[in-house]
Amino acid sequence: GQSLEQPSEVTAVEGAIVQINCTYQTSGFYGLSWYQQHDGGAPTFLSYNALDGLEETGRFSSFLSRSDSYGYLLLQELQMKDSASYFCAVRDRLTGGGNKLTFGTGTQLKVEL
Amino acid sequence: DTEVTQTPKHLVMGMTNKKSLKCEQHMGHRAMYWYKQKAKKPPELMFVYSYEKLSINESVPSRFSPECPNSSLLNLHLHALQPEDSALYLCASSQVQIPHEQYFGPGTRLTVT
Repeated sequence: GQSLEQPSEVTAVEGAIVQINCTYQTSGFYGLSWYQQHDGGAPTFLSYNALDGLEETGRFSSFLSRSDSYGYLLLQELQMKDSASYFCAVRDRLTGGGNKLTFGTGTQLKVEL
Repeated sequence: DTEVTQTPKHLVMGMTNKKSLKCEQHMGHRAMYWYKQKAKKPPELMFVYSYEKLSINESVPSRFSPECPNSSLLNLHLHALQPEDSALYLCASSQVQIPHEQYFGPGTRLTVT
């Protein structure tokens, strides 16, 4: 089976940098995605890592270490609008022919003034 | 157009009712998904359609019946639901080769009484 663990809640101040961690256990690992979901809203795709290293997209960056089964999402210059839930999601080549995403437990980010 | 639309936004139904949820996208995506999401929980995959054919059924009870009439439309037919089926039902789509980058609709908030 698969399991993904994230901290349940993270709080940070506006303008700061925050890191949301994700550890996973799966066989046939393909890649790790990150999604943002505001309360009452739809999940929105943020990034995807298939290889080790850092991917940067504006204020958001995502990192993957396949050997450690670990990834993180880094949010810089935090804004109030970044308050949301963040989910990591694993794509596994042995599950659903590689067409299935299994979502982590989710991290509620609260940005304060 | 990067929008996935879902109707209705809200639905209240009794346990003996039959209703349908609808999802539409015009991004040319040939993979479409149904998820169920409970409050403060991650989305849980229910069904995946690839090229209009059902490719994944996550052992969903038969009271949920998916249908993909064409490449733009996805339906979820509901019959004899239980109160525990109350949840947010999310539709998503993606390119078949890029299942880790999914575009989600706003969801249908379902309440079973």
